Amino acid sequence: GAVVSQHPSRVICKSGTSVKIECRSLDFQATTMFWYRQFPKQSLMLMATSNEGSKATYEQGVEKDKFLINHASLTLSTLTVTSAHPEDSSFYICSARTLLAGGNSYEQYFGPGTRLTVT
Amino acid sequence: AQKVTQAQTEISVVEKEDVTLDCVYETRDTTYYLFWYKQPPSGELVFLIRRNSFDEQNEISGRYSWNFQKSTSSFNFTITASQVVDSAVYFCALSDPTLPGTYKYIFGTGTRLKVLA
Repeated sequence: GAVVSQHPSRVICKSGTSVKIECRSLDFQATTMFWYRQFPKQSLMLMATSNEGSKATYEQGVEKDKFLINHASLTLSTLTVTSAHPEDSSFYICSARTLLAGGNSYEQYFGPGTRLTVT
Repeated sequence: AQKVTQAQTEISVVEKEDVTLDCVYETRDTTYYLFWYKQPPSGELVFLIRRNSFDEQNEISGRYSWNFQKSTSSFNFTITASQVVDSAVYFCALSDPTLPGTYKYIFGTGTRLKVLA
């Protein structure tokens, strides 16, 4: 199946700094990528939908100025957590969507996740 | 609005027991997909199954089986002869695959399965 990678897999940063997480589709082009956040022992919550070449669409309650998303190419989307605080510590998962043969439906593949710890 | 309910927060079974994880969904769409994912302690989501809303046939894959019933809006997952390696959090998810603007995965809250040796 298709592969989505995330880098880094784990990151520790100090409060007030910014951290960038990369999401890459390795063997397919993804016109749309999604960013999820998962707090410990909780479900995945969609943060934003990122379309290549356009601004991301954020879910209600997600601060777009804090979580900057860039989808500059069909294989790469980045999430930058700006001025990170301890409450931003979480597991961030991206997924990439591709159009299936036939052009009538899509498939979505998940990355392995990035564990962010803000100290 | 779409919603997925996994009422079982945590289940503990003894190895070799069968266990069923429940999933109830809500949607007004007639075309949708249902999924099950496994999330081991490493955190990576492991895809288990995708089921189209028009296909109500039950499916079996090794020790795993799924029961999809549109009449009760349920998509339950059964593990037969459970093993310790099955210990993980299992998520049920719902999505509408045909409308780009609304193609989102709605995840349930997950069921944590502990299989004891």
